[in-house]
Amino acid sequence: SQQGEEDPQALSIQEGENATMNCSYKTSINNLQWYRQNSGRGLVHLILIRSNEREKHSGRLRVTLDTSKKSSSLLITASRAADTASYFCATGAEGAQKLVFGQGTRLTINP
Amino acid sequence: DAGITQSPRHKVTETGTPVTLRCHQTENHRYMYWYRQDPGHGLRLIHYSYGVKDTDKGEVSDGYSVSRSKTEDFLLTLESATSSQTSVYFCAISEWGLSGNTIYFGEGSWLTVV
Repeated sequence: SQQGEEDPQALSIQEGENATMNCSYKTSINNLQWYRQNSGRGLVHLILIRSNEREKHSGRLRVTLDTSKKSSSLLITASRAADTASYFCATGAEGAQKLVFGQGTRLTINP
Repeated sequence: DAGITQSPRHKVTETGTPVTLRCHQTENHRYMYWYRQDPGHGLRLIHYSYGVKDTDKGEVSDGYSVSRSKTEDFLLTLESATSSQTSVYFCAISEWGLSGNTIYFGEGSWLTVV
């Protein structure tokens, strides 16, 4: 069964707008990660946030984590056409060697 | 680039035939993984390895076997391919840091079972 569930499943916005994607999970985690997948390619790691962190930034990416609600959000600011991709959250439990992935959000940036 | 190479990248095979997918890494990572990706299911872990000859099952291991005789190679075998195993297969390695493990993926192997 999937641990992370992304919302929405699909998102279409205009270039320059901000894109927000959400991830909910069910059990205790050590960290939560976001990945991007371009069509026909493998997943690429974007950012990792630890369970004791609330917010993290990397360039135009901002990730928040609310462990009380078991949820995370990924914000992409000033979107570009090149941001068109699927975005996945993945959760890692304490000491776990495995990550569990959600089903992803398909983001389309319209020029 | 985590130095992961998958082969073959594309394959069409007939139902009932054996198929082996190969994952090769160049950076001596201990942990290696095989995932499959299907519409509506996201990525699901098939098997993983934590060292030479050390492997364990993931959530969708039925119908698959793996072997790791060398650190750099992790093989996924479908003993008798079925149409339900048509999928995209991703090999991955992990790097451990203070915050946990980060997964790095190969480019995928597209398998069609007809």
